[in-house]
Amino acid sequence: DSGVTQTPKHLITATGQRVTLRCSPRSGDLSVYWYQQSLDQGLQFLIQYYNGEERAKGNILERFSAQQFPDLHSELNLSSLELGDSALYFCASSLGLTQETQYFGPGTRLLVL
Amino acid sequence: DAKTTQPNSMESNEEEPVHLPCNHSTISGTDYIHWYRQLPSQGPEYVIHGLTSNVNNRMASLAIAEDRKSSTLILHRATLRDAAVYYCILDNYGQNFVFGPGTRLSVLP
Repeated sequence: DSGVTQTPKHLITATGQRVTLRCSPRSGDLSVYWYQQSLDQGLQFLIQYYNGEERAKGNILERFSAQQFPDLHSELNLSSLELGDSALYFCASSLGLTQETQYFGPGTRLLVL
Repeated sequence: DAKTTQPNSMESNEEEPVHLPCNHSTISGTDYIHWYRQLPSQGPEYVIHGLTSNVNNRMASLAIAEDRKSSTLILHRATLRDAAVYYCILDNYGQNFVFGPGTRLSVLP
């Protein structure tokens, strides 16, 4: 158990819909990262937040957005969903900004029908 | 972004050492080399990381070439629980943590 929690574990929705994935980092960790893992694209970094502020951006689509709240939990919002958005979404947390070990949550499996 | 290349798959016998290679010829001077692994149906987990010198921890050793263009993750005695996908990643000071396709390690009893 990494100490990172993600909800929900599974999510089934339809194309065009919007969903919110939630992540609670390990106690004391200030950085939160979001990743998408699909069969054809592998594990892709989406975005990083540090203490409430966006710090790094990867291959995140404009239809996706994230935020980190004052209590340090984070939410990833996915809108106008397409079939290709079906994937595992992982959240990770680390103590600081860079060169830190990342602890991954169990993931949220999203299925878009 | 700096990229890494790894073999798609490797096989090892239980209780034998495993050497997992990674090439990163475009590495920059400030890139750290991280290794993570992903067991079936789980999120990735940290294995080891280093900058220039070889590193050891309870899980593995990391050997870094002198020119830093390649590295090798060494599992000293593979167990069945080490069967996973191993990712070699360059950390560009947190700017876009890039996972490659990884190496799928099979451990035979």
